[in-house]
Amino acid sequence: AQTVTQSQPEMSVQEAETVTLSCTYDTSESNYYLFWYKQPPSRQMILVIRQEAYKQQNATENRFSVNFQKAAKSFSLKISDSQLGDTAMYFCAFMKQSNTGKLIFGQGTTLQVKP
Amino acid sequence: GAVVSQHPSRVICKSGTSVKIECRSLDFQATTMFWYRQFPKKSLMLMATSNEGSKATYEQGVEKDKFLINHASLTLSTLTVTSAHPEDSSFYICSARTGTKRQETQYFGPGTRLLVL
Repeated sequence: AQTVTQSQPEMSVQEAETVTLSCTYDTSESNYYLFWYKQPPSRQMILVIRQEAYKQQNATENRFSVNFQKAAKSFSLKISDSQLGDTAMYFCAFMKQSNTGKLIFGQGTTLQVKP
Repeated sequence: GAVVSQHPSRVICKSGTSVKIECRSLDFQATTMFWYRQFPKKSLMLMATSNEGSKATYEQGVEKDKFLINHASLTLSTLTVTSAHPEDSSFYICSARTGTKRQETQYFGPGTRLLVL
């Protein structure tokens, strides 16, 4: 069975600085997807970034980028130039390439961006 | 990104009554939708997978007779909490699966807060 681990329950960062959220996963699958979702206080889950396991290139979306280390089964999220609106709970998620489409979530990391 | 709506956003009901929550994909068709439950400051717990035109697949420990799921069309799935009790109070979130095999993604609804008195 697949598992996703986020070992940092809470983190904080000063506005405009850079922060990295950690995520590791365990799987025997070779084809899968990895995601980072953001859940702000409104509780709406927002897709931040996705990565296909077959791609070696790290995904980027504006100020958000990932460091995908397939051999180490690590998928960290880097937020550059942190903004107050980045304050949220961040979830790392795993989906194997199959018909079910199930997402397996980590425990979440609460990020506080301080002014 | 794709838009998923949920209705109602919040509901308060008396113990013993049933509550229906709707999940709609607004700008795409979703053959598969998912229902999650989330407790405060915790991760999402998958309750069931809803497939259009067929029975839902429930996760271990989830009572299928209590949480009825219907996926009648490619854009609508409903979750009915039957004979609700205070312990069913929670935040319920749906998601819809979209994309081709190499672009697969899930988009989430805004959630429904259920309070059972």
